[in-house]
Amino acid sequence: DTEVTQTPKHLVMGMTNKKSLKCEQHMGHRAMYWYKQKAKKPPELMFVYSYEKLSINESVPSRFSPECPNSSLLNLHLHALQPEDSALYLCASSPRTSGGTDEQFFGPGTRLTVL
Amino acid sequence: EDQVTQSPEALRLQEGESSSLNCSYTVSGLRGLFWYRQDPGKGPEFLFTLYSAGEEKEKERLKATLTKKESFLHITAPKPEDSATYLCAILTLTDSWGKFQFGAGTQVVVTP
Repeated sequence: DTEVTQTPKHLVMGMTNKKSLKCEQHMGHRAMYWYKQKAKKPPELMFVYSYEKLSINESVPSRFSPECPNSSLLNLHLHALQPEDSALYLCASSPRTSGGTDEQFFGPGTRLTVL
Repeated sequence: EDQVTQSPEALRLQEGESSSLNCSYTVSGLRGLFWYRQDPGKGPEFLFTLYSAGEEKEKERLKATLTKKESFLHITAPKPEDSATYLCAILTLTDSWGKFQFGAGTQVVVTP
């Protein structure tokens, strides 16, 4: 099973709202990722949790806040977003085990619209 | 600076017309190169991992190859369902977080 699930599929929010995106994997992977993808562009890495340690893309604004409650779950908390934050938000996971492979498996994404 | 470049940006094929997509890279040390297929509005779907120059992987009508400077994704006798954006990504030896660097992608349209 190489499934990564994301909820919700679609989200519309105002600039003053607080919302969260959720991601889950049950493959025993030790790394999980958040990406942002704008139309006709490749995914852009936002955050990485690897063995529950966080690495941040320094260009990501503080209105995005990741949380990793355990090795299977990854949340992205959203607060005071701007219309330009509207995009497809993708979660991915990767084995990252010693001697293992490095491919990332992506979820279906959450289509976020900020009004 | 590490760089990944895909060409062409877009490719229009007739059904059955074989072609190749290119992913060229400049890195200090390559750990792995990855190919994905992405349909509009969906997450990328993993296709292949290549680790060593000379390595080849096949899946149905797709074949990926790797040299020291580039990778090719060959599409043999494509069908309309092969229409998608194909992304390549690299992972470098100096990276300790598994951070992919993606190319811009090649949009493939296969017409009946």
